[in-house]
Amino acid sequence: EDQVTQSPEALRLQEGESSSLNCSYTVSGLRGLFWYRQDPGKGPEFLFTLYSAGEEKEKERLKATLTKKESFLHITAPKPEDSATYLCAVQAGNQGGKLIFGQGTELSVKP
Amino acid sequence: EAGVTQFPSHSVIEKGQTVTLRCDPISGHDNLYWYRRVMGKEIKFLLHFVKESKQDESGMPNNRFLAERTGGTYSTLKVQPAELEDSGVYFCASKRGNKPYEQYFGPGTRLTVT
Repeated sequence: EDQVTQSPEALRLQEGESSSLNCSYTVSGLRGLFWYRQDPGKGPEFLFTLYSAGEEKEKERLKATLTKKESFLHITAPKPEDSATYLCAVQAGNQGGKLIFGQGTELSVKP
Repeated sequence: EAGVTQFPSHSVIEKGQTVTLRCDPISGHDNLYWYRRVMGKEIKFLLHFVKESKQDESGMPNNRFLAERTGGTYSTLKVQPAELEDSGVYFCASKRGNKPYEQYFGPGTRLTVT
C-alpha cells in the first residue's frame, strides 16, 4: 500500500535555528514528490516538485532533497513568517494523478 | 492569473440535509481534483476529472457523494443526505496536462454537519 509518513509531527524552533523535516514514503513507481506549505484556514500552497533520487530544489530559506526512500525539507535560518504546516505528498505511477499526503509537520518559529 | 476558487468557504448544515460545494479551477487546467481532510487525519483524495470525464473516483466514500463537471469547467460536489462523519474541509485542486505537474489548491470549504 502506498504510504507517506512525516516527522516530526510538530517542531518548535528559535528564529535562526536551522533544522530539517522528514518525509518517508513507500510507493509503487514514484512519479513525483511534492512539498506544500499550509497556513491556518488556507489551502496548501505549492513549494517544490522532485522527480528522481538525487534531485534538489531551493527557494529562499528552503531546500528540498530526495532519495529513493525519503525526502527532506531543510530550513536554514528560519524566520517567524516560516511558521506553517508543511505537507509532503507523492504521486504514484499506477494511481493516475492523485496525491497521497502525509499528515504534515507543524512548524513554529519563535522570535 | 486567478487561482482556484471554492464556494462557500464555510457551511453548517444539519444531518440529513443536502449541501453542494463548488470549485472553479485555474483557467485552462483540464485536470480537477477533490480532496478532503477530516479532523486529525491527512488530506485524502476523493476523485479526479479530466475535462468533464471522471478519471478516478476511487476515493469517494459512498453513494451519498456526487460530483459533476459539466462542460469541463467548474465542478460541484453534492452530499445528500449529509451525515456527521462528512464534516471536514473539502479542497479542490487543478493541474495542467497529464504529466506529474504540481496541483494548485483552492482555499477549501469547511463543512460542519450537526
